[in-house]
Amino acid sequence: GDSVTQMEGPVTLSEEAFLTINCTYTATGYPSLFWYVQYPGEGLQLLLKATKADDKGSNKGFEATYRKETTSFHLEKGSVQVSDSAVYFCALSVPGSGTYKYFFGTGTRLKVLA
Amino acid sequence: GAVVSQHPSRVICKSGTSVKIECRSLDFQATTMFWYRQFPKKSLMLMATSNEGSKATYEQGVEKDKFLINHASLTLSTLTVTSAHPEDSSFYICSARVAVAGSYNEQFFGPGTRLTVL
Repeated sequence: GDSVTQMEGPVTLSEEAFLTINCTYTATGYPSLFWYVQYPGEGLQLLLKATKADDKGSNKGFEATYRKETTSFHLEKGSVQVSDSAVYFCALSVPGSGTYKYFFGTGTRLKVLA
Repeated sequence: GAVVSQHPSRVICKSGTSVKIECRSLDFQATTMFWYRQFPKKSLMLMATSNEGSKATYEQGVEKDKFLINHASLTLSTLTVTSAHPEDSSFYICSARVAVAGSYNEQFFGPGTRLTVL
């Protein structure tokens, strides 16, 4: 079945450190891949997306590349800020599946220290 | 664009009462809406998929008689938690899918509703 595996958190970094949050997936079709961010007490906000292999999604300094050969979509940022502290979710959806469901990873909590 | 709202944002109720949560797509028509439940420090659990004008499809293990979903229009879906109990306390999040040909299935999420049952 379709699923997403995300690295366990929490991840604690100092400001300006490099961030990587690993995400791998299993999908029966050709999934679209997403990273969402959730700030405390809020819903999910789309951070970036990629819809086909080798696509790179980017937003607010975050990047992730859709790697079909390794079935991965790792999230990276070169220099994190305190304001990036949040929970990050990797997700996939399989267009054409008829269900339009999203499959979420377990979420990775990021804490950035000043 | 593509804004989804939820109302109320927080609700506290007594055990045994029913609570209705609204999910609205403000600037687009959503043929499909989804309801999720999130436990503290956990991921989102899909409860049901709601298509306008038809019955909701519930995920395995979700009690359809307890969590009533109505999707009466292309911009509104409601989740009613009937006879709520403390174990129903949770963060409920809805999302809406934009029905665009050839789209990549992006869902837009509401801000969530915090339900506390005393």
